[in-house]
Amino acid sequence: GAVVSQHPSRVICKSGTSVKIECRSLDFQATTMFWYRQFPKKSLMLMATSNEGSKATYEQGVEKDKFLINHASLTLSTLTVTSAHPEDSSFYICSAREVGTGTYNEQFFGPGTRLTVL
Amino acid sequence: DAKTTQPPSMDCAEGRAANLPCNHSTISGNEYVYWYRQIHSQGPQYIIHGLKNNETNEMASLIITEDRKSSTLILPHATLRDTAVYYCIVRVTGNQFYFGTGTSLTVIP
Repeated sequence: GAVVSQHPSRVICKSGTSVKIECRSLDFQATTMFWYRQFPKKSLMLMATSNEGSKATYEQGVEKDKFLINHASLTLSTLTVTSAHPEDSSFYICSAREVGTGTYNEQFFGPGTRLTVL
Repeated sequence: DAKTTQPPSMDCAEGRAANLPCNHSTISGNEYVYWYRQIHSQGPQYIIHGLKNNETNEMASLIITEDRKSSTLILPHATLRDTAVYYCIVRVTGNQFYFGTGTSLTVIP
């Protein structure tokens, strides 16, 4: 199946700094990418839908000014956690949907990025 | 909001079939049922999906009831590597996936 990568896999930062996470579709083009957050022993929570060339759509309760999403190309979306605080520590996962696929095709998930804010 | 209900945990003996149920009683006629699994600290892995008919692939079988209000994922011969959290998802319009709480499957030697 299609491969989605994330970089970095782990990041530790100080409170107040910003962290950028990259999500890349390696062998296919993705018009739509999705960002999720997962706290320990909890399910994945959809944060936002990222569309290439347009503004991201955020889920209710997700601060768009804190979680900046850019989808500049068909193979790359980035999530920037601005002014990170310890409560932002989480597992961030992206997924991608291939261009031109029908309505029934699955999303391909990245391996996740573990963010720890000290 | 999640539109599925799954038991929080299940055990299965190695080599036996694992049957994981999912209730999606409010599913609409054009919504697909997807199954993914997540092994600890990894991204979810696609297993199978279906609309109305039963489906089978190299990983699993998906049985959807005639009224589409529930489904069962079947792992025919569970191995220790199948220990994971299994998520049943109903895909809403716009392609967003809203994950429920999933079922934590433990395969016992």
